[in-house]
Amino acid sequence: IAGITQAPTSQILAAGRRMTLRCTQDMRHNAMYWYRQDLGLGLRLIHYSNTAGTTGKGEVPDGYSVSRANTDDFPLTLASAVPSQTSVYFCASSDTSRGTEAFFGQGTRLTVV
Amino acid sequence: DAKTTQPPSMDCAEGRAANLPCNHSTISGNEYVYWYRQIHSQGPQYIIHGLKNNETNEMASLIITEDRKSSTLILPHATLRDTAVYYCIVRAFHNTDKLIFGTGTRLQVFP
Repeated sequence: IAGITQAPTSQILAAGRRMTLRCTQDMRHNAMYWYRQDLGLGLRLIHYSNTAGTTGKGEVPDGYSVSRANTDDFPLTLASAVPSQTSVYFCASSDTSRGTEAFFGQGTRLTVV
Repeated sequence: DAKTTQPPSMDCAEGRAANLPCNHSTISGNEYVYWYRQIHSQGPQYIIHGLKNNETNEMASLIITEDRKSSTLILPHATLRDTAVYYCIVRAFHNTDKLIFGTGTRLQVFP
């Protein structure tokens, strides 16, 4: 089934540890996005990529890095996790050349302790 | 992308129409209005989008005012499963930049 997949589904991480959240899509969408959603709040854009090989900063990029080596994958890395990064992380993709809607993954629930 | 303003919360009786407003007074001529919703802790789900004409699909209807400065999402017969946060977003059709979500409207459908 075509779509967007995130891994892991949930994770408990010790502060100071490095963590990479994975995101893969098989729809050949050019654009991909990472959001975080804190409890009871809206989605905030962390980083985005308009095409393979390019990335950009969103609203809350500090403490996170991304790469886009190919069209399908867009990993999000926390170099040294802090408790304030406890959140639910959503990955999304869209085909901006046709103005299609964005498709979202099921989310990764990350707890930094 | 133009900024949007939505009421923080609304209630609707089951079976009645839910009308969710969105103000986008700074919208540009090439910007579309998109609606998404997020049920509980799931990923957001696309509902509908439009430029200037009213649009309808199996989920909802979108009414855009003639001056395009505001729009209304209509769920014609709300059910309990429509309880969610609804986001109105304005962006250009070929925008290759950011996709920014606002705070949305929390719709509570009650029996």
